[in-house]
Amino acid sequence: AQKITQTQPGMFVQEKEAVTLDCTYDTSDPSYGLFWYKQPSSGEMIFLIYQGSYDQQNATEGRYSLNFQKARKSANLVISASQLGDSAMYFCAMREEGGANSKLTFGKGITLSVRP
Amino acid sequence: EADIYQTPRYLVIGTGKKITLECSQTMGHDKMYWYQQDPGMELHLIHYSYGVNSTEKGDLSSESTVSRIRTEHFPLTLESARPSHTSQYLCASSEFLGQGDEKLFFGSGTQLSVL
Repeated sequence: AQKITQTQPGMFVQEKEAVTLDCTYDTSDPSYGLFWYKQPSSGEMIFLIYQGSYDQQNATEGRYSLNFQKARKSANLVISASQLGDSAMYFCAMREEGGANSKLTFGKGITLSVRP
Repeated sequence: EADIYQTPRYLVIGTGKKITLECSQTMGHDKMYWYQQDPGMELHLIHYSYGVNSTEKGDLSSESTVSRIRTEHFPLTLESARPSHTSQYLCASSEFLGQGDEKLFFGSGTQLSVL
């Protein structure tokens, strides 16, 4: 079974509007971490936001916020006020097995295109 | 901005050649990773290291090998490249966050094409 599921096809959003990128996860660990990374066409992976499973509040980093719904096992990324530079692939990832053995598992990614 | 560097950025080689992909970081991070990514697909972990003299295989079987003689350096070697090795290779290092989590910093990647 997939650990991280990103099923949306390519997403389109108008510049300055908000967009939500979906991510669901599957784990039996009580302690885990959720991450979103951005990959522009240049290829590098850029860290955007992190949510720990015990965090009570949803994480926010500037225009990025993570809508964490633990019971539904979802960790959707919300980008507010989209900019042309937000056009990229976005990957959701989960860390299980905390401490030295921790590893990240990535989803298949979602392509976001911002229209002017 | 992350201080992790990969060279070369692009590499086109013939079948059977031995190649080494370089990865260096100046952040003093102990843990480092190599991921393989096909176009438009997810990242697959192929190797990681907890620190000097530590190397571990990842989730995806790979014919490559790695070494970690110095903290800052984590090269990946293919003894005999094949067309099936054509892919993007991403190196990363991590710093610890709370709750045992890590934040990964990635290099720009090496796009390898084996003819």
